[in-house]
Amino acid sequence: DIQITQSPSSLSASVGDRVTITCRTSQIIWNSVNWYQHKPGKAPELLIYSASILQAGVPPRFSGDVTGSEFTLTISSLQPDDYATYYCQQSYSVPTTFGQGTRLEI
Amino acid sequence: EVRPVESGGDLVHPGGSLRLSCAASGFILSHYGMSWVRQAPGKGLEWVAHISGSGHSTFYADSVKGRFTISRDNTKESLSLQMDRLRGEDTALYFCARESVDNSNKIYFDKWGQGTLVTVSS
Repeated sequence: DIQITQSPSSLSASVGDRVTITCRTSQIIWNSVNWYQHKPGKAPELLIYSASILQAGVPPRFSGDVTGSEFTLTISSLQPDDYATYYCQQSYSVPTTFGQGTRLEI
Repeated sequence: EVRPVESGGDLVHPGGSLRLSCAASGFILSHYGMSWVRQAPGKGLEWVAHISGSGHSTFYADSVKGRFTISRDNTKESLSLQMDRLRGEDTALYFCARESVDNSNKIYFDKWGQGTLVTVSS
């Protein structure tokens, strides 16, 4: 199975900050990583697929990138609505696996 | 709103069985592959099972293989997860997720339900 390691596990930041979350995979999987936002009691929401494609309706302050086996999710200017837990997911092979999650706090 | 809608979660004893259902709100269920993903208390997301749009192809996580069965009836626009021989570690919020595919035919989950809670305890 492909292992995926997400960091940091938690992050404190202020409104307006630039924030980056990283996922590293155990092998090169090209662009097969997706990113989700999850708030307690709500359905997870897709933010980015194929490493860098913004899902329709997601604000452009969210962006994704890949270099080798390192994938990043960046929020360019944090907004109050962005406080949530973020997950990466590798879709290169079955079983699909998620990162451990990053809890973004004020 | 376009969203899967889960139901069927309950409290069940270890060794017992439970059947979860997923319905489609705002889209045609039979047009999509679907997955179940779960979140144990205080933990992250874990993929559980996948079924293709036709229902002919299924895959399972090793942790549930042989105990859980994903199925669908496209004539009734219904999707189910039959869970047998339940264990304490199956306690989780179970999400139904709609699948889409990218240009490389890789699956991502573009719509999720709010989840249904399964508690396995004596």
